Amino acid sequence: GAGVSQTPSNKVTEKGKYVELRCDPISGHTALYWYRQSLGQGPEFLIYFQGTGAADDSGLPNDRFFAVRPEGSVSTLKIQRTERGDSAVYLCASSFKGGTEAFFGQGTRLTVV
Amino acid sequence: DQQVKQNSPSLSVQEGRISILNCDYTNSMFDYFLWYKKYPAEGPTFLISISSIKDKNEDGRFTVFLNKSAKHLSLHIVPSQPGDSAVYFCAASGISGGSNYKLTFGKGTLLTVNP
Repeated sequence: GAGVSQTPSNKVTEKGKYVELRCDPISGHTALYWYRQSLGQGPEFLIYFQGTGAADDSGLPNDRFFAVRPEGSVSTLKIQRTERGDSAVYLCASSFKGGTEAFFGQGTRLTVV
Repeated sequence: DQQVKQNSPSLSVQEGRISILNCDYTNSMFDYFLWYKKYPAEGPTFLISISSIKDKNEDGRFTVFLNKSAKHLSLHIVPSQPGDSAVYFCAASGISGGSNYKLTFGKGTLLTVNP
């Protein structure tokens, strides 16, 4: 596709459940980022991939959060034992390489009830 | 601790007038600054950027000014158009610090341009 694609657009889950959020970056972009935007806040950095490896995961809030990018393209953000405080819009972005202009997807709105 | 601050949650201007959005930062390691625009239900879209070696960058109706000594930047939109109505995020990164990939965002300012 032409842009960064995120699925699903919306996800409602019960507290304690496991969720996976998917990101398809722009073709050819080696850098991929996950951000989280809570209500009334700006996006907050979670993790950065350069190729298949997580170059910086310092923004992941705790060990319930994990992300993979096994083939250097599609990435999945995984959240275990979801809590109501995890409710937010999860944004994925990609860029040609780290540090160049990042293009964002439309986000996945996660609601934990 | 907010390293990038946008102290005005909202701004309303008349069509054709100038819109000025402000941003302050506290981290002296930041040396690259960006503005993103966000419409509802869409992801942020890059608008304009400026490196710390410059004090001004212009792109059509959009100009960003950087005052390093005051750790302050502003985005000027002139003339403002109704289609500019959106949330504007200020963001910063530290190229020289080796974390040029990590953007730190402000909370955003909702701009409304009235016809």
